[in-house]
Amino acid sequence: DGGITQSPKYLFRKEGQNVTLSCEQNLNHDAMYWYRQDPGQGLRLIYYSQIVNDFQKGDIAEGYSVSREKKESFPLTVTSAQKNPTAFYLCASSITTGGYGYTFGSGTRLTVV
Amino acid sequence: SQQGEEDPQALSIQEGENATMNCSYKTSINNLQWYRQNSGRGLVHLILIRSNEREKHSGRLRVTLDTSKKSSSLLITASRAADTASYFCATDKFQGAQKLVFGQGTRLTINP
Repeated sequence: DGGITQSPKYLFRKEGQNVTLSCEQNLNHDAMYWYRQDPGQGLRLIYYSQIVNDFQKGDIAEGYSVSREKKESFPLTVTSAQKNPTAFYLCASSITTGGYGYTFGSGTRLTVV
Repeated sequence: SQQGEEDPQALSIQEGENATMNCSYKTSINNLQWYRQNSGRGLVHLILIRSNEREKHSGRLRVTLDTSKKSSSLLITASRAADTASYFCATDKFQGAQKLVFGQGTRLTINP
């Protein structure tokens, strides 16, 4: 079955530590996205990528970094510069040309301990 | 930047009743999409309506779009307990790349 896999499902980060969230898709989609969701809130865009080796900042990119070395993979690193990282992180993909819905992963819940 | 604003923020109805959620947005769009999210899960795409369309149906879902008022509504008919979820509208401004902007969502509870 085609889809998006996010791992891990739960992640705990110590103060000052970088952590990387994995996102892999086998849908052959060109575009991939990372969103952050806080409790009871909507989604805010962190980074997006339309093509391999290219990515753009979203609305809340500070304290985060990404890479897009393969079409299938778009990992997100939450750095120590992100002061309030506790949130639910969602990865999505879509056909680049627009006019299509996104396919979402099941999310990673990150907690700072 | 939040583009869509859903109304109401929360809605509780009896099973079998119809549920209507509204979404307003600020700028011109290429399309508007509705998604469902069950608690603690990812979002599921429900329906997409393009800016030149006024109404669209998918099973028990009916979506309308009024670009002059910059608003959309999602109607779920004959609701079921399994419809309990949060529902989000998202707009695509398509400035060189599809980049959906999501609203805050409506929490729908269907009481048996």
